Amino acid sequence: NAGVMQNPRHLVRRRGQEARLRCSPVKGHSHVYWYRQLPEEGLKFMVYLQKENIIDESGMPKERFSAEFPKEGPSILRIQQVVRGDSAAYFCASSPPELGGTDTQYFGPGTRLTVL
Amino acid sequence: GENVEQHPSTLSVQEGDSAVIKCTYSDSASNYFPWYKQELGKGPQLIIDIRSNVGEKKDQRIAVTLNKTAKHFSLHITETQPEDSAVYFCAANDHTGGFKTIFGAGTRLFVKA
Repeated sequence: NAGVMQNPRHLVRRRGQEARLRCSPVKGHSHVYWYRQLPEEGLKFMVYLQKENIIDESGMPKERFSAEFPKEGPSILRIQQVVRGDSAAYFCASSPPELGGTDTQYFGPGTRLTVL
Repeated sequence: GENVEQHPSTLSVQEGDSAVIKCTYSDSASNYFPWYKQELGKGPQLIIDIRSNVGEKKDQRIAVTLNKTAKHFSLHITETQPEDSAVYFCAANDHTGGFKTIFGAGTRLFVKA
C-alpha cells in the first residue's frame, strides 16, 4: 500500500513567486490535513479538507494561502506571493473516512519550501 | 481551543535505560492522544496512541499512560536503543470549530551507545 505522497520534496522560490504543494492521500482516504513545521518547532495545524470541501481552515493565514482537495487528483496547498517567513516544512496527513476527522492521521514525507 | 505542553525539550539517556516524556493538555473534551516519532528529514510516524476510555496502552518497548483527571499523558520507552534517537511529539485532538490535531513542541531524544 502506498502511503501519503507529497511532491515536490524540496521547493525553492524567490520572494513574490507562487508555491504549489501537492499531496496524494493514502488510497481510499478522503480526509486530508495540512500542517506547517518551522525549524526546531512542532507541527501547526493549517487546514482540514474532505473531497471538494474545506472543513476547518482556522490555522491558515487569511491572505496568500489557499487549499483545495478536488474530486479527482491530489490536494493542493497554494501560497501566493511567497515571503521569507513562509520557508518551512509543509506536511500533509490523511485519515480514512470511516474513522472521522479526529482519528489516526498518516503523514507524508513533507515538502521543504525555501524562499530566497 | 486545545493547548498541549511537552517536557522535556531534550532528553539524553544511555542505551538500555528508560526514557519518559510528559505532556499536558488543556481541553477536557479531547479524547484521542497520539504520539509521533520524527527522524531527520522525514515526516512524523505514528508510534502509539491512546483514547480517553483507557488509562494505559503498551506495544513492546513503548507504553503510554493517560490521566484524564490531571489532563496529562506520558510516553515510556524501555530498553532504549540508538535507533530510538529522534524527535517525539505528543498530540491531542481538538473539537473546537472542527477537527484538528494539536501537537506539543517536541522532545529531542538522544540515546548514547
